[in-house]
Amino acid sequence: NAGVTQTPKFRILKIGQSMTLQCTQDMNHNYMYWYRQDPGMGLKLIYYSVGAGITDKGEVPNGYNVSRSTTEDFPLRLELAAPSQTSVYFCASSPLAGKGSYNEQFFGPGTRLTVL
Amino acid sequence: AQSVTQLGSHVSVSEGALVLLRCNYSSSVPPYLFWYVQYPNQGLQLLLKYTSAATLVKGINGFEAEFKKSETSFHLTKPSAHMSDAAEYFCAGGGAYKYIFGTGTRLKVLA
Repeated sequence: NAGVTQTPKFRILKIGQSMTLQCTQDMNHNYMYWYRQDPGMGLKLIYYSVGAGITDKGEVPNGYNVSRSTTEDFPLRLELAAPSQTSVYFCASSPLAGKGSYNEQFFGPGTRLTVL
Repeated sequence: AQSVTQLGSHVSVSEGALVLLRCNYSSSVPPYLFWYVQYPNQGLQLLLKYTSAATLVKGINGFEAEFKKSETSFHLTKPSAHMSDAAEYFCAGGGAYKYIFGTGTRLKVLA
């Protein structure tokens, strides 16, 4: 299994540009998440999904959109990039809670985004 | 409000010394607790998780953590630090599917 994969690894955007960060998992996990990581701030949840067709806002959703048309994919869309969106973005997934499952999240390698 | 607090954003230890990274959680955080490690330019990897089966949890690379409900703590320890332990460590707590992360502790290991 490849686990959670993210593309691209690095990207530089100009203010006002748009882009989509891709995330795919091959573990058949129900839950998927997008986080951003800023120095000294830990990880902040942007959006999450509990299954295909179901998404919800996290702690810092402004300026982002998501969709979940399949179990495997959970892209994150930035419509009008701003310098405040310069960050490292992590996608994660976790299995459905159940007996023996403690909702461990599995993380991708991250996308480093700079907005100039 | 739910919170996970890591005391000390930076910790330095000598190689071979005890590693102690502190994590406290608010009593409103559901009883799933985790420690993750992040090496430079990588994603987060699970070190260990509290499953409620035992209060002392052993993880990978010689790390362990003790769940203390009375102190609402889940501190991470390792008896003897190795240079390869230099990384950032995150404590997280959560419910059915959402985590709250601490702000992280960067561990530096001195030769």
